[in-house]
Amino acid sequence: QVRLVQSGAEVKKPGSSVKVSCKTSGDTFTSYSVSWVRQAPGQGLEWMGGITPILDRTDYAQKFRGRITVSADESSSTAYMELSNLRSEDTAMYYCARGSGIRINDAFDMWGQGTSVTVSS
Amino acid sequence: DIQMTQSPSSLSASVGDRVIITCRASQSISSYVNWYQQTPGKAPKLLIYAASILQSGVPSRFSGSGSGTHFTLTISSVQPDDFATYYCQQNYRNPLSFGQGTKLDIK
Repeated sequence: QVRLVQSGAEVKKPGSSVKVSCKTSGDTFTSYSVSWVRQAPGQGLEWMGGITPILDRTDYAQKFRGRITVSADESSSTAYMELSNLRSEDTAMYYCARGSGIRINDAFDMWGQGTSVTVSS
Repeated sequence: DIQMTQSPSSLSASVGDRVIITCRASQSISSYVNWYQQTPGKAPKLLIYAASILQSGVPSRFSGSGSGTHFTLTISSVQPDDFATYYCQQNYRNPLSFGQGTKLDIK
């Protein structure tokens, strides 16, 4: 059974950084892409960026370029999303989502449980 | 960037009703549309990909159609588990983008 398990909730100060992990089990990590999608309280879904581990290729939404880094560690089947220079508007639930294939823009057929990130002084 | 606009933003239905949710893209995106269902406190779940292909394990009362700029998600007979928020998503071009969501609640 494929599972994506994310790291726990975070509370951060404005201007700091957060790094969220997403560990995949039950399938071949390098056969799929992983994207990060966030959802602010009461709001919709927003794609932030993604990675194709087997190609070590990343793509980011322009809105987050310069602040986001998505990476992957094949040895532990874990993807990471680091967001820097946090502001209050970054308070949200952050989800990792597995693409159905290796392309970053494949449909998201599996999701992590979400990681709550709160940015507050 | 490609904008996805869903309608309605919310709707009420009774168990057994037929429900149609519409999604329009700001430019032609062929059949690169997916539909997700999200219940409160949970991650989204893939229902339909490539506009009309039912994801494995999803009940057949869900169906999708459309191409170009106009897409629909239909629930043929709403069941109690279907009261949730639905999102369309385009995966034609990055940045990937979602519609604003349609909340389906009980009439």
